[in-house]
Amino acid sequence: AQSVAQPEDQVNVAEGNPLTVKCTYSVSGNPYLFWYVQYPNRGLQFLLKYITGDNLVKGSYGFEAEFNKSQTSFHLKKPSALVSDSALYFCAVRPRHRMDSSYKLIFGSGTRLLVRP
Amino acid sequence: DAGITQSPRYKITETGRQVTLMCHQTWSHSYMFWYRQDLGHGLRLIYYSAAADITDKGEVPDGYVVSRSKTENFPLTLESATRSQTSVYFCASSESGGTPYEQYFGPGTRLTVT
Repeated sequence: AQSVAQPEDQVNVAEGNPLTVKCTYSVSGNPYLFWYVQYPNRGLQFLLKYITGDNLVKGSYGFEAEFNKSQTSFHLKKPSALVSDSALYFCAVRPRHRMDSSYKLIFGSGTRLLVRP
Repeated sequence: DAGITQSPRYKITETGRQVTLMCHQTWSHSYMFWYRQDLGHGLRLIYYSAAADITDKGEVPDGYVVSRSKTENFPLTLESATRSQTSVYFCASSESGGTPYEQYFGPGTRLTVT
């Protein structure tokens, strides 16, 4: 079965420190990879995506993500965390099958990021 | 206003009642999606639609009905609400095409079934 794993329910970092939110996936082929962020009482907002090419993808608000094909991982990173980055982060995967044009996303369970002042 | 909107934002209903959640987008996106968000499960796809009059089941479709007579609207109906359908519901839309476009999400509807 296709799945996305976010092994940490919560990540705690101090403001100014680098942060990493982990994501691994079990999806056949070379899927498209996404990160979304959800602030309290809001819908999900797109952060970045990996389609092809450079393994380091840059996105909104200073976030970036590193794709590792051999480890089937797509970890979200930021060099210097801000208190305002505190939110719920979701990794998502879209299979890249020619026979599947449904554009469906498979989401991880989410990781809560808490940045303390 | 442009974007994707959902109504109502909050709804309390009783077991057995029918309830419809509305979703409207102004971008003319081909694809629309309904998800439910529950603790520990992330987002799970209920139904999706590739275009007007084309809908298909997602991961958790039981107890839900959708329709899409117009491109911009994608209502979700709970035919006979159950407590297990208490959740936050998100609608999303996406362009179609060769590029993997991201999905844009509405603000959500918090549904409580008593």
